[in-house]
Amino acid sequence: EVQVVQSGAEVREPGASVKISCKISGYSFIDYHIHWVKQAPGKGPEWMGLMYREDSQTVYAGEFHGGVTFTVDTTTDTAYMQLNNVKSSDTAVYFCATGQWDLSHWGQGALVTVSS
Amino acid sequence: QSALTQPASVSESPGQSITISCTGTSSDIGIYHLVSWYQHHPGKPPKLIIYQVNQRPSGVSTRFSGSRSGNTASLTISGLQAEDEANYFCCSYAGNYSLVFGGGTKLTVL
Repeated sequence: EVQVVQSGAEVREPGASVKISCKISGYSFIDYHIHWVKQAPGKGPEWMGLMYREDSQTVYAGEFHGGVTFTVDTTTDTAYMQLNNVKSSDTAVYFCATGQWDLSHWGQGALVTVSS
Repeated sequence: QSALTQPASVSESPGQSITISCTGTSSDIGIYHLVSWYQHHPGKPPKLIIYQVNQRPSGVSTRFSGSRSGNTASLTISGLQAEDEANYFCCSYAGNYSLVFGGGTKLTVL
């Protein structure tokens, strides 16, 4: 059974960084892309980008370019998403999800709250 | 890319059918056979219910079906049940290794 487990809720002050983890188990880590999705309160989901399965190359959606970094630790099958210089508009639930171009398995989401 | 357009909310009575639309452009829905739909109950992970426009993953009820016409994809839920009350959002491949989501539709089963 495929399982996608994310780290817990985080609170940060404006200007800080936050790193969310996403551990995937149940199939070969390299077989699927790892996507990251932002859902701000009361808003629809936004695709942030992905880490490409074959070579860990990353693709960032335009509006997230420069403000987010995706990494992976293949020894533990864990992906990470780091947000830098956070601001109030970064308050959201962040999901990781696996799949190629349809997202078959999702993490439970990690709430990031940015507040001074 | 701009978000795909979905109605903010829809409602229907139990046992009836409802269709949720998702309008994109000729650069996403209109050209790629890679439209997916997700059911999202608040506080839970989203669930894939349709992929590649009209394919159902194993275990998803046959009451859910998908289609596409031009730049608009649609999700139809037949025989509505109380448990179908959730948020639904669409997603399409948009070229250049990117995805675009719809804004989501809140389904209320009256």
